[in-house]
Amino acid sequence: DGGITQSPKYLFRKEGQNVTLSCEQNLNHDAMYWYRQDPGQGLRLIYYSQIVNDFQKGDIAEGYSVSREKKESFPLTVTSAQKNPTAFYLCASSNQGARSPLHFGNGTRLTVT
Amino acid sequence: SQQGEEDPQALSIQEGENATMNCSYKTSINNLQWYRQNSGRGLVHLILIRSNEREKHSGRLRVTLDTSKKSSSLLITASRAADTASYFCATELTGNQFYFGTGTSLTVIP
Repeated sequence: DGGITQSPKYLFRKEGQNVTLSCEQNLNHDAMYWYRQDPGQGLRLIYYSQIVNDFQKGDIAEGYSVSREKKESFPLTVTSAQKNPTAFYLCASSNQGARSPLHFGNGTRLTVT
Repeated sequence: SQQGEEDPQALSIQEGENATMNCSYKTSINNLQWYRQNSGRGLVHLILIRSNEREKHSGRLRVTLDTSKKSSSLLITASRAADTASYFCATELTGNQFYFGTGTSLTVIP
């Protein structure tokens, strides 16, 4: 079955530690995205990548970093510079330029204490 | 910045009734999409309407788009308890960027 896999589902970290969230897709999509969702709020774009080895900042990129070394993978690192990292993180992918919808993973809930 | 805003924030209806939720957005768009999110899960795409379309149907879903008012509505007819979820509109700007609204939380009471 094609889809997007995010792991782990729950992640706990101490303040000051960097943490990397995994996102893998086997849909052969060119574009991949990371969104952050806070309780009762919509999704805010962190980073997106339209092609391997290229990515752009979204609205709230500060304190986050990404890489896109393979088409299938788009890991997100939450660094210690991110002031409020506790949130629900969603990864998505889509075909390029085909007005295709976003396909989402089931998210990673990160709690930093 | 948040591109879209849904209204109402929360909606509670009886099973069998229709549910209508609205979305307003700020800038010109290529298309507008509606997504559904069950609690603690990822979003699932429901329907896409292009900027040159005014209405679209898919099963029990009906979407309208008014680009002059920068608004869209999603109607779910004959609602079921399984429709309980949050619903988001998303606008696609140029460059494959998608921006989401704040969502409407729908509760369908059996």
